[in-house]
Amino acid sequence: GAGVSQSPSNKVTEKGKDVELRCDPISGHTALYWYRQSLGQGLEFLIYFQGNSAPDKSGLPSDRFSAERTGGSVSTLTIQRTQQEDSAVYLCASSPRTSGRDAQYFGPGTRLTVL
Amino acid sequence: QKEVEQNSGPLSVPEGAIASLNCTYSDRVSQSFFWYRQYSGKSPELIMSIYSNGDKEDGRFTAQLNKASQYVSLLIRDSQPSDSATYLCAVVPNSNYQLIWGAGTKLIIKP
Repeated sequence: GAGVSQSPSNKVTEKGKDVELRCDPISGHTALYWYRQSLGQGLEFLIYFQGNSAPDKSGLPSDRFSAERTGGSVSTLTIQRTQQEDSAVYLCASSPRTSGRDAQYFGPGTRLTVL
Repeated sequence: QKEVEQNSGPLSVPEGAIASLNCTYSDRVSQSFFWYRQYSGKSPELIMSIYSNGDKEDGRFTAQLNKASQYVSLLIRDSQPSDSATYLCAVVPNSNYQLIWGAGTKLIIKP
């Protein structure tokens, strides 16, 4: 079946502009995760959805970042008033999350460059 | 603070040899353990999962789990240059189903 998809694959924007990043999880996966990965760094957890609810928003770096998920499927991560330090690859993953044995499956990521 | 620790490397291994990657975790009651591979410029991909003490083999890969010592390892036999990547260890602690990630070990297989 289809894997996790993300769009756009690349996004170049000017400082101060808003951007929206989209994630379409694997069909039937109830859990969805957003991560950020700066060049040469590890995964930075941003937010997690179970269904349409976000029980854990602890990783969002500032109030410029927000995310939503509708219909238990597609999620959008929005960054307002982008800053140069927001430049990174934004990764989305999904999981069945029916037990503690569930792995996460990643999309290809969106590379965001803020000029 | 639940933690997962990995040596950042790089770990350099000659082609054909066994590559050994290690990971330690702090939450004693962690229940699930995963190894992911991440090629440069790509997203992480799952290569192994292990849940019980002992060894689990899948082709050239063997995951080893020792809950008493709180470590999990990944062995890659007959290493190939295509195995050169960063390997991420991830652990599910007992408190929830979130994955706690290590920072990754960069593996270089030298021809």
